[in-house]
Amino acid sequence: KQEVTQIPAALSVPEGENLVLNCSFTDSAIYNLQWFRQDPGKGLTSLLLIQSSQREQTSGRLNASLDKSSGRSTLYIAASQPGDSATYLCADLTQGGSEKLVFGKGTKLTVNP
Amino acid sequence: EAGVAQSPRYKIIEKRQSVAFWCNPISGHATLYWYQQILGQGPKLLIQFQNNGVVDDSQLPKDRFSAERLKGVDSTLKIQPAKLEDSAVYLCASSLQITDTQYFGPGTRLTVL
Repeated sequence: KQEVTQIPAALSVPEGENLVLNCSFTDSAIYNLQWFRQDPGKGLTSLLLIQSSQREQTSGRLNASLDKSSGRSTLYIAASQPGDSATYLCADLTQGGSEKLVFGKGTKLTVNP
Repeated sequence: EAGVAQSPRYKIIEKRQSVAFWCNPISGHATLYWYQQILGQGPKLLIQFQNNGVVDDSQLPKDRFSAERLKGVDSTLKIQPAKLEDSAVYLCASSLQITDTQYFGPGTRLTVL
């Protein structure tokens, strides 16, 4: 059974800092790994999707990497801003029978002005 | 492009009552998902449709939950009877195909008293 873990559960940083969020998964048989952002009381917004054959994806100040062999993904946020404050969730799309997204519990990020 | 629509946004009911949620996916998206997100957790897949057929409902409590997708477009999720532990946010998402990016609606926050 696929399990996804995100560390840390919460992170508080000053504005302008570069930061890394971590995600680990137990089963490397995945189609892709996705990073989402969730603001309080809102649904999820897709940030980046990395296919299993890729090593990284970039969008603006965000860069996500994928290392299937070690079962890890990281989301790098450059020059953080208060508007980046949200909960960040990673999820992998499992292979083998039923393809479905398995989510971690998320990392709650607070960027202080 | 219009996003995923859900209604109602909030619902408060007594235990043992019934409730229904509605979802309208992004036009042209073949795959539709219902997730349950309990406070502090990542979303958990309840049911997944491909067009109007069920692909995965292995985590749907079928003694009380039911879902349908009419004509491969809109979907409803019903709970009858509700229990206290059903208090959660119910998220609907859609994607072009199973391996594509999922787009989420704003969710319905259910409180069972």
